[in-house]
Amino acid sequence: GQNIDQPTEMTATEGAIVQINCTYQTSGFNGLFWYQQHAGEAPTFLSYNVLDGLEEKGRFSSFLSRSKGYSYLLLKELQMKDSASYLCAVLNQAGTALIFGKGTTLSVSS
Amino acid sequence: DSGVTQTPKHLITATGQRVTLRCSPRSGDLSVYWYQQSLDQGLQFLIQYYNGEERAKGNILERFSAQQFPDLHSELNLSSLELGDSALYFCASSVDPSGRANEQFFGPGTRLTVL
Repeated sequence: GQNIDQPTEMTATEGAIVQINCTYQTSGFNGLFWYQQHAGEAPTFLSYNVLDGLEEKGRFSSFLSRSKGYSYLLLKELQMKDSASYLCAVLNQAGTALIFGKGTTLSVSS
Repeated sequence: DSGVTQTPKHLITATGQRVTLRCSPRSGDLSVYWYQQSLDQGLQFLIQYYNGEERAKGNILERFSAQQFPDLHSELNLSSLELGDSALYFCASSVDPSGRANEQFFGPGTRLTVL
């Protein structure tokens, strides 16, 4: 079976750091993606990890541990505009399906 | 703007009806994906096409079908509509299905309301 777990909701304040965790159990693995989705809008790509370790991209970083089936997205210097849903998605081995978690809704307050 | 276009933006119809959703991928992208997003289910993968051929099926109902045309645009047909089919339908495209190239660019979505 395929299962991707993320917390449903998180809250944080402007300027803070937040870590959104994702655990997965999937049949095969060909990379893990993080997407950001504002309410009513299309998801937009944030990061891709296929090897273990940390990928840094500006205020956002993503980490992967394949042996643990675990990833996190780290958001630094939070801004109000970061209030959105963050979707963890795993690409299966054949590259035929991107399986999404249900998303974590992040609320950033001042 | 992702470069992926979808029409219509909104669609309101009645149970039992049939509708067609249209998607044009980014220029140069050969893979097209369809997703359904409802409040309680999250983003569900429906079906993938690559260069005109069906490549993978996800949780797509038998009442739903899709195709990708020679110009690479795609259509998703939903028939015998039920109240539960009300959702946001996204189309996405990528250069290639494999690995990093699977970075998918999403269209703005079609909001379907079945009354």
